[in-house]
Amino acid sequence: EAGVTQFPSHSVIEKGQTVTLRCDPISGHDNLYWYRRVMGKEIKFLLHFVKESKQDESGMPNNRFLAERTGGTYSTLKVQPAELEDSGVYFCASSQVGRDPSYEQYFGPGTRLTVT
Amino acid sequence: DAKTTQPPSMDCAEGRAANLPCNHSTISGNEYVYWYRQIHSQGPQYIIHGLKNNETNEMASLIITEDRKSSTLILPHATLRDTAVYYCIVPPGYSSASKIIFGSGTRLSIRP
Repeated sequence: EAGVTQFPSHSVIEKGQTVTLRCDPISGHDNLYWYRRVMGKEIKFLLHFVKESKQDESGMPNNRFLAERTGGTYSTLKVQPAELEDSGVYFCASSQVGRDPSYEQYFGPGTRLTVT
Repeated sequence: DAKTTQPPSMDCAEGRAANLPCNHSTISGNEYVYWYRQIHSQGPQYIIHGLKNNETNEMASLIITEDRKSSTLILPHATLRDTAVYYCIVPPGYSSASKIIFGSGTRLSIRP
């Protein structure tokens, strides 16, 4: 069974540009999460989808970040316009709905974003 | 989340058991203990979780004290590939959200 996949693995963009990250969760996993690790800091939660609905977006840093999950399958995270402080590694994770407790999450390899 | 305390770093000889401690003295009765790890340049990896009984899987064993205020993750025969940051996490007992709050973890180094 394929794990969580993320694309691209690396992205280097200039300040002010737009970048879109993609995450494909494990098939059948309705929970999808985005996290990120900024250099030297701890891994931080960004948001949580249940199918196509945003369950919790309390970790989104500002309105330059837009996450979507149309159709409840893959998800995209768009950063527009990118700022230097957005550099870091963005992780996606998925888990099954209805699994109690639901903190058994499976992470992708991450997208390393560098804003210059 | 119940606060957890872990040593910032540990080391262990290859082939020996690695015992990683975690204190969670404010844990509530229905809160689980989860362990994750992050190997360099990879995404975090779920290892194991438990409530009050000891648990074992193909990766590790989890020993939770009877009062549940602390636990130990045991890697029975550590290899160089087990070098990683290990996170002990105690999520809230009930929540419609299921975000993981990672702390700073324990950096485990396995020496040859």
